[in-house]
Amino acid sequence: RKEVEQDPGPFNVPEGATVAFNCTYSNSASQSFFWYRQDCRKEPKLLMSVYSSGNEDGRFTAQLNRASQYISLLIRDSKLSDSATYLCAVNRGSARQLTFGSGTQLTVLP
Amino acid sequence: GAGVSQSPSNKVTEKGKDVELRCDPISGHTALYWYRQRLGQGLEFLIYFQGNSAPDKSGLPSDRFSAERTGESVSTLTIQRTQQEDSAVYLCASNAANEQFFGPGTRLTVL
Repeated sequence: RKEVEQDPGPFNVPEGATVAFNCTYSNSASQSFFWYRQDCRKEPKLLMSVYSSGNEDGRFTAQLNRASQYISLLIRDSKLSDSATYLCAVNRGSARQLTFGSGTQLTVLP
Repeated sequence: GAGVSQSPSNKVTEKGKDVELRCDPISGHTALYWYRQRLGQGLEFLIYFQGNSAPDKSGLPSDRFSAERTGESVSTLTIQRTQQEDSAVYLCASNAANEQFFGPGTRLTVL
């Protein structure tokens, strides 16, 4: 089993739709969780950290479920500019080293 | 205020040749990572440097791959006797807390 798993998609959604991605992780000792965004042929950039209590940043909401060992990202009112690959990242136990999922591709259609 | 920089941005080489990729992390960042990303794939961890500690080399795919870092500065990733399957984007990242900042990558093509 991979340490971090994501549904690769692609997710094709119309503008304005709400879309959610899940990411499961295998290391129960993981403490830090992140969502990164990667545009085509660009480097990944941090979208948001994921906190235990869940957190929201504008149209984006991140949730953590420790019992089931997954994190989620919800995008509301999706925009064309949200089209990208979304990578989840989980730290390896107490280490700062991150393990990345393989990414979920999102295309928002006009 | 520069971010992580990498050079070269593109490298085309012939099978069997050695290549050296360079990463300049953000000044003051103690941790440095190398990843490989094949076309349409996720990030594959290669190696991790943290200060003066022994690097975590657990992700290096073969003994043809090696990396060095002097202190908390520049790192070089060397691939010896390149193979076609080495073709990928090689990404470097550095961080001081939890967020990793990525460089633009080096796109390596092995013919």
